[in-house]
Amino acid sequence: NAGVTQTPKFRILKIGQSMTLQCTQDMNHNYMYWYRQDPGMGLKLIYYSVGAGITDKGEVPNGYNVSRSTTEDFPLRLELAAPSQTSVYFCASSYGPETQYFGPGTRLLVL
Amino acid sequence: GENVEQHPSTLSVQEGDSAVIKCTYSDSASNYFPWYKQELGKGPQLIIDIRSNVGEKKDQRIAVTLNKTAKHFSLHITETQPEDSAVYFCAAAFTDTASKLTFGTGTRLQVTL
Repeated sequence: NAGVTQTPKFRILKIGQSMTLQCTQDMNHNYMYWYRQDPGMGLKLIYYSVGAGITDKGEVPNGYNVSRSTTEDFPLRLELAAPSQTSVYFCASSYGPETQYFGPGTRLLVL
Repeated sequence: GENVEQHPSTLSVQEGDSAVIKCTYSDSASNYFPWYKQELGKGPQLIIDIRSNVGEKKDQRIAVTLNKTAKHFSLHITETQPEDSAVYFCAAAFTDTASKLTFGTGTRLQVTL
């Protein structure tokens, strides 16, 4: 049982490039979430999903897209990377609408 | 939307002393209040949570109290140990269909020998 896994661990992007951050959970959780954490700040919710095929915006969704085709996977897509998207991205999952389990994070640098 | 304020931003205590971190929230509809511990280079880990129908919850050296009227909740760590050193985050959410957590800005706790 690996819990929540994220790839890659670290990535450098040039302005305007695109990439997908991968998130997989093996706990059969219905709920999945994407957060970003800027230096010295708390986490902010980007998108969340309550089940396969269902996604919704969080507090800071601009510049990102998500999809949920399976229970296990919840990828986050950056279409046109901007310096403001430099951050650490965390994926989380939960069985119900409460206790969330976080992955180890992806550190993204946009130059 | 919900707004969560957390104090202090840094806290240094000696080993064996107690540590208290306080948070306030703005949305009276919030009913779920978790606390997370984040070690360097790792994702946040849930250490304790409380729901709005409970005023206090304990788990060994950790306790959380909730005052719904004043809209604040606190984390208490007793008999601190060096391994308690980390960044602690409080959060709040109204758990209708999903737990859309709003986090505080974190408290860096350092436990010195």
